[in-house]
Amino acid sequence: AQSVTQPDIHITVSEGASLELRCNYSYGATPYLFWYVQSPGQGLQLLLKYFSGDTLVQGIKGFEAEFKRSQSSFNLRKPSVHWSDAAEYFCAVARTTDSWGKFQFGAGTQVVVTP
Amino acid sequence: NAGVTQTPKFQVLKTGQSMTLQCAQDMNHEYMSWYRQDPGMGLRLIHYSVGAGITDQGEVPNGYNVSRSTTEDFPLRLLSAAPSQTSVYFCASSHGGLAGAWYNEQFFGPGTRLTVL
Repeated sequence: AQSVTQPDIHITVSEGASLELRCNYSYGATPYLFWYVQSPGQGLQLLLKYFSGDTLVQGIKGFEAEFKRSQSSFNLRKPSVHWSDAAEYFCAVARTTDSWGKFQFGAGTQVVVTP
Repeated sequence: NAGVTQTPKFQVLKTGQSMTLQCAQDMNHEYMSWYRQDPGMGLRLIHYSVGAGITDQGEVPNGYNVSRSTTEDFPLRLLSAAPSQTSVYFCASSHGGLAGAWYNEQFFGPGTRLTVL
């Protein structure tokens, strides 16, 4: 069963506008949550992660994400996007009560930035 | 540091052929893993290892073998390639072994694009 859902396959945003990418997970316990970014032709790079504590986490490149237990969500936000933010973004879950080696990634959201 | 390296970058195989995708890291990471990336599917974990001599299956292990004889290397073997194995393959590594590799950032290689005809 899919543990991680990214409802938006593709998002187009104007440069300077705000961006929010959605991520929902289905898991009994609180998982460890991650957001990764993949630029064209590249491997993935970690943007931020959540384990516990403050539900608003800050990451690199001006991104932040908020964990909402009641909604089983971990949405990624950026107040003002730059053309260089055009990439594919992946939410990922580490199932902490499952085998500790197993990550699951969402299907990804492709972000296009227009001038 | 070179980070995580993968060879080859591109490969075309015929159905039934075998090959090994190479992955190496020079960061002394305990945890290494292989993913395949398919359109609309995200990344799916094939196999992983938490140290030399220790491997385990991920979400989609069928058709693939791995071994971990050294900390640095984690090759992925396709014994008899099938068109369904056409994909982009990523190797990743991170600090952390039995204590919980998922605490730490995974560093990804540049990927191998494999086509099976």
